[in-house]
Amino acid sequence: EVQLVESGGGLVQPGRSLRLSCEASGFTFDDYAMHWVRQAPGKGLEWVSGISWNSGNTGYADSAKGRFTISRDNAKNSLYLQMNSLRVEDTALYYCAKDGINCRSTSCYDYYHYVDAWGKGTTVTVSS
Amino acid sequence: DIVMTQSPDSLAVSLGERATINCKSSQNVLYSFNNKNYLAWYQQKPGQPPKLLIYWASSRESGVPDRFSGSGSGTDFTLTISSLQAEDVAVYYCHQHYSTPLTFGGGTKVEIK
Repeated sequence: EVQLVESGGGLVQPGRSLRLSCEASGFTFDDYAMHWVRQAPGKGLEWVSGISWNSGNTGYADSAKGRFTISRDNAKNSLYLQMNSLRVEDTALYYCAKDGINCRSTSCYDYYHYVDAWGKGTTVTVSS
Repeated sequence: DIVMTQSPDSLAVSLGERATINCKSSQNVLYSFNNKNYLAWYQQKPGQPPKLLIYWASSRESGVPDRFSGSGSGTDFTLTISSLQAEDVAVYYCHQHYSTPLTFGGGTKVEIK
């Protein structure tokens, strides 16, 4: 069974930094791209960032570009999101999510696809 | 960026009746190289993470009841619940993964009439 467990959320002041982590189990982690998706209170889903299976490609939402950095450690089955210069509008539940296509053993035309597994999320609150 | 527009924002349907949700993308999400529409649908119940229902616009995820179906191509897509059950009350999102940044529709809330 796929399990994704996020951690690292909390209350932080505007302008400060936070690092989210996601520990994955139940699948071969380094076969799949991974994503961070967030959901502001009472709002819809927003893709924040993605990283290919081998870290060769990363992608970001415009709202995250230049402030957030996604990374992964395949030896530790872990995904990370370094968030700097946090803003009030970054307040949200942050989900770690697994890509639906194994691009390590299959030739993929592209890096990112639909998400087929989600963690329960970690809450980030940016407030003074 | 590709903008995903869902309609309606909410709908109330009687138990056993059909529910139809529409999703329109601002650009084509059909990849001609492999003839696949890079469009997925998710269901999110209160207090839970989203759940994948449909991928490649019309392929049902394993374990998803066959009352859920997806259709459409290019820029116009539909999620249909053929016979609404009480457990289908949720918010439904469409999602394009044709190009980055990946984007979601605003969501459609489905309730029982």
